Parts: sequence; structure tokens; C-alpha cells
Amino acid sequence: GNSVTQMEGPVTLSEEAFLTINCTYTATGYPSLFWYVQYPGEGLQLLLKATKADDKGSNKGFEATYRKETTSFHLEKGSVQVSDSAVYFCALRETSGSRLTFGEGTQLTVNP
Amino acid sequence: DTGVSQNPRHKITKRGQNVTFRCDPISEHNRLYWYRQTLGQGPEFLTYFQNEAQLEKSRLLSDRFSAERPKGSFSTLEIQRTEQGDSAMYLCASSLRGTGDREKLFFGSGTQLSVL
Repeated sequence: GNSVTQMEGPVTLSEEAFLTINCTYTATGYPSLFWYVQYPGEGLQLLLKATKADDKGSNKGFEATYRKETTSFHLEKGSVQVSDSAVYFCALRETSGSRLTFGEGTQLTVNP
Repeated sequence: DTGVSQNPRHKITKRGQNVTFRCDPISEHNRLYWYRQTLGQGPEFLTYFQNEAQLEKSRLLSDRFSAERPKGSFSTLEIQRTEQGDSAMYLCASSLRGTGDREKLFFGSGTQLSVL
């Protein structure tokens, strides 16, 4: 079956540090890949997505590239802010399906 | 666009009782999803509707769980004879049927269930 594995957290960084959160997946076919973010007290929000190999999703300074050869979709940001503190979830959806399969989430805390 | 609304926000119940949660999706969205999230884990798919039709159910959805979307608008999720293992955050999401951005899911803030 499908699965998503994220790097273990929590991650604590200082403001303006570089962020990488690793995500690898197992799936049949060619899934779409997503990063969702959950700010404290709020619902999950789509951060970015990529639908085919070598696509790069980007939003709010975050980026992730769909790497089929390594089955990865790592999230990066060059300079994090305190407001980026949240839980980040990697997810996939099969081409022909509707359900999302999520990773376990990574808690990010950014200190001033 | 008022977002996806879920009620109640919190529910505390005793083991063996029945509970029902409600989800009001974004008004023009024809797809509605239920997920369950336990502490430290990502959301797990339970079921989804397209309009009033329940199109897919996860094996996680035991026979104690039932979901309905009678008029293709709001949905309810009922858990009968609750067990302590049912304690979790129950998330609802909605989307438009289609491709690309039309498939973007909008999540509610969830209903936190605690079974004592």
C-alpha cells in the first residue's frame, strides 16, 4: 500500500536559518505529492504541491521538488521566520484516487 | 467562503455512549472527506462522499462508525458504543470534483473526542 515517511521531529531552528524537512514515499504509479501545514489551533492548509516528476512546488518561500528516482519530496526554505512555527505534513494522492495518505508530521519551532 | 465548519469542537463522553459530529463544508464543494488524527500522527482517511453518495470507506471505519450526507450538503459522523481507542481528532475536509486546483482540500479545525 501507499505510505509516506517524514523525518523525525521536533525541529527547532533560529530565525533566518535554513530548513529542510525530509519526506519519502512508497506508492504505485505516479502519485501527486503535497505539503500541508497546521498552525496552532487551525485546520490543515495546503502549502504546496507537485503532480509529476521533476515538478517544483513553491509557496511562501517554501519549495519542494518531486524526485521520482529517490521517491522523495523534501521541503526547504532558505530563511525561516517565527511565524513558520507549525506542524508540517507530507502527503500523497494516487493518480486515480481521491484519498490522501499523510506522513506523521514534523513539528517546527522557530525561535527569535 | 466561510470555510469548513465542524461541531462540536470538543466532545467528552463515557465509554459505551454514542456520539455524533457534524461537518458543514464550503457551500459549492461537492466532495466531503472524513479523516481521523491521533496525537503525533498524520490524518488517516476514513471515508468520502461525492454529493450524497458515499464512494469510499477505509478499513479503519468499523461497523460502529457510520457517516451520512443526506442532501449532499452537511455530513454527520456517528460512533456507536464508543471505546477509549476512538479518542482522536476527527477532521472534515471538502473540495470540488475535478483536477488541479479544483481538487484542493480545505480542512476544518476538527472535533476532539475524548472517551473516558
